[in-house]
Amino acid sequence: TQLLEQSPQFLSIQEGENLTVYCNSSSVFSSLQWYRQEPGEGPVLLVTVVTGGEVKKLKRLTFQFGDARKDSSLHITAAQPGDTGLYLCAGAKGAQKLVFGQGTRLTINP
Amino acid sequence: SQTIHQWPATLVQPVGSPLSLECTVEGTSNPNLYWYRQAAGRGLQLLFYSVGIGQISSEVPQNLSASRPQDRQFILSSKKLLLSDSGFYLCAWSRDGNYEQYFGPGTRLTVT
Repeated sequence: TQLLEQSPQFLSIQEGENLTVYCNSSSVFSSLQWYRQEPGEGPVLLVTVVTGGEVKKLKRLTFQFGDARKDSSLHITAAQPGDTGLYLCAGAKGAQKLVFGQGTRLTINP
Repeated sequence: SQTIHQWPATLVQPVGSPLSLECTVEGTSNPNLYWYRQAAGRGLQLLFYSVGIGQISSEVPQNLSASRPQDRQFILSSKKLLLSDSGFYLCAWSRDGNYEQYFGPGTRLTVT
């Protein structure tokens, strides 16, 4: 059973466009994280959201945690080729473990 | 600052051979340690985690095992590899009581 569903699974857009990636669950999480992974490398933590309704910005990336702490979104403004990668959301559940979504493969074409 | 190392970076092993992947963390003490496996371009499956020396929790029944002989060392092993063990293996650490995890560079394992 996949606790975290990410959509879309694949997204290919042109440089300069905006996009949103979604991470949804029927479970409540104490916190949720977003990671970006380059091919052949380990994921890198981008942000952690903890409070329902919380919004965090990281340059052109905006992260939001749902009011009920069951879902999250990642919005990228004016996407650049350097944003290309696999974006993973991960929800925190008991015993200091994370549950990962299946990822969104993002390709930004120049 | 903290760093996490994994080796080897890549490994090609025949079916039935043993496996030993190593992960070490520097710059912190008493970290939580994790082993994940990732299918090509997909999410991460938690295999094992450890909150202290000699304490191992297994998440998925399989022919892999993990050990933590030292505070900052985490080892993933198998006595006999299967074709299905191929994948990208990632080690991660987190501070005790904190959910944020920091990943190593990974090991690409191909079982032939």
